[in-house]
Amino acid sequence: EPEVTQTPSHQVTQMGQEVILRCVPISNHLYFYWYRQILGQKVEFLVSFYNNEISEKSEIFDDQFSVERPDGSNFTLKIRSTKLEDSAMYFCASSQKMYYEQYFGPGTRLTVT
Amino acid sequence: GENVEQHPSTLSVQEGDSAVIKCTYSDSASNYFPWYKQELGKRPQLIIDIRSNVGEKKDQRIAVTLNKTAKHFSLHITETQPEDSAVYFCAALPPGTYKYIFGTGTRLKVLA
Repeated sequence: EPEVTQTPSHQVTQMGQEVILRCVPISNHLYFYWYRQILGQKVEFLVSFYNNEISEKSEIFDDQFSVERPDGSNFTLKIRSTKLEDSAMYFCASSQKMYYEQYFGPGTRLTVT
Repeated sequence: GENVEQHPSTLSVQEGDSAVIKCTYSDSASNYFPWYKQELGKRPQLIIDIRSNVGEKKDQRIAVTLNKTAKHFSLHITETQPEDSAVYFCAALPPGTYKYIFGTGTRLKVLA
């Protein structure tokens, strides 16, 4: 069964550094998402992406964040200047259609020191 | 905007017993409600979902019920097994949006 994959599984970075988190969605899916989960808290929506543009974003997704689909398979989340409070598990998800089930990747644990 | 409350936060049951987790939502127009199971260190996995035009859905030992009037939906696990131990998240999808609104999670422990 196809799965969403994410790399790296764990990223440690210093405050102020840029990080890029990578995702490969399921191949026939058209909608892509990033969520984050701060340790012990609920999963929170960051952004959705369709047809090479952001379709929706949350208030968390400020100017420090950006997303890109650089080629036909990858979907990336960039944080330009990381803060301590960006430490969290970041999940990528994809769905075949809007309003359909979203399949999650295994997550990237980002630790900002 | 939509808000999802989930209870209980932790639940311990004896193996073979049933477990019930409840979620309430605030936006009556929300129309899709998935449940995810997240084992320690692993991805959230969709285990069952329900749309607003259906009152109940079953898949083997798992069932979900939806009460649109009361704006709540519940996950029922029967004949629990130790491998059911995980954190379970409910979510709601409001209309006209792509984003799931998640509940706070329930840590289920099935005691052998």
